[in-house]
Amino acid sequence: GAVVSQHPSRVICKSGTSVKIECRSLDFQATTMFWYRQFPKQSLMLMATSNEGSKATYEQGVEKDKFLINHASLTLSTLTVTSAHPEDSSFYICSARELTGGNSPLHFGNGTRLTVT
Amino acid sequence: DAKTTQPPSMDCAEGRAANLPCNHSTISGNEYVYWYRQIHSQGPQYIIHGLKNNETNEMASLIITEDRKSSTLILPHATLRDTAVYYCIVRVANQAGTALIFGKGTTLSVSS
Repeated sequence: GAVVSQHPSRVICKSGTSVKIECRSLDFQATTMFWYRQFPKQSLMLMATSNEGSKATYEQGVEKDKFLINHASLTLSTLTVTSAHPEDSSFYICSARELTGGNSPLHFGNGTRLTVT
Repeated sequence: DAKTTQPPSMDCAEGRAANLPCNHSTISGNEYVYWYRQIHSQGPQYIIHGLKNNETNEMASLIITEDRKSSTLILPHATLRDTAVYYCIVRVANQAGTALIFGKGTTLSVSS
């Protein structure tokens, strides 16, 4: 079945530094990938929609200059958390759907646990 | 997309069937019902989806009422590894560029 790989699985960084998270679709192509964030004991919250070859679309309240998204190919999207602060500590999850689209399901990566100290 | 309502939590004994309900009374004709689950500290895992017919795969069965206003996910023989948060989501088909919006889901606890 379709597999989405996320890297790294966990990262610790210092305040003020930037962290890049990669999301790859391993056996399918995806023109669109989605980035979610999940705080403890809460549900997943959509942050942004990543479109291959064009600018990402951000949800209300998500700062586009802080969470940089690059979708350079049909199998790779990256999320860079810039100038990280402790409140950015969270579980970040990406997802993608096969190009066939329609009613095919979204597949999710295993998430990246970010801790900002 | 139509909203869904799920009980916040359910318990199930190991080996028994787990029946997880979902209400989606405002579902429209072109919306599918999707089920995902999330085991602690992992990404959501796709389980099953359907439009109006009942569906079955190696993981579960999905029963959708005739009026499509509710559905039930059935795990026929629950194991401890099925302990997770289960999300029922409805979504319009043919919208490849739209994400899934997650509610609070049902926390299923399977015990021995």
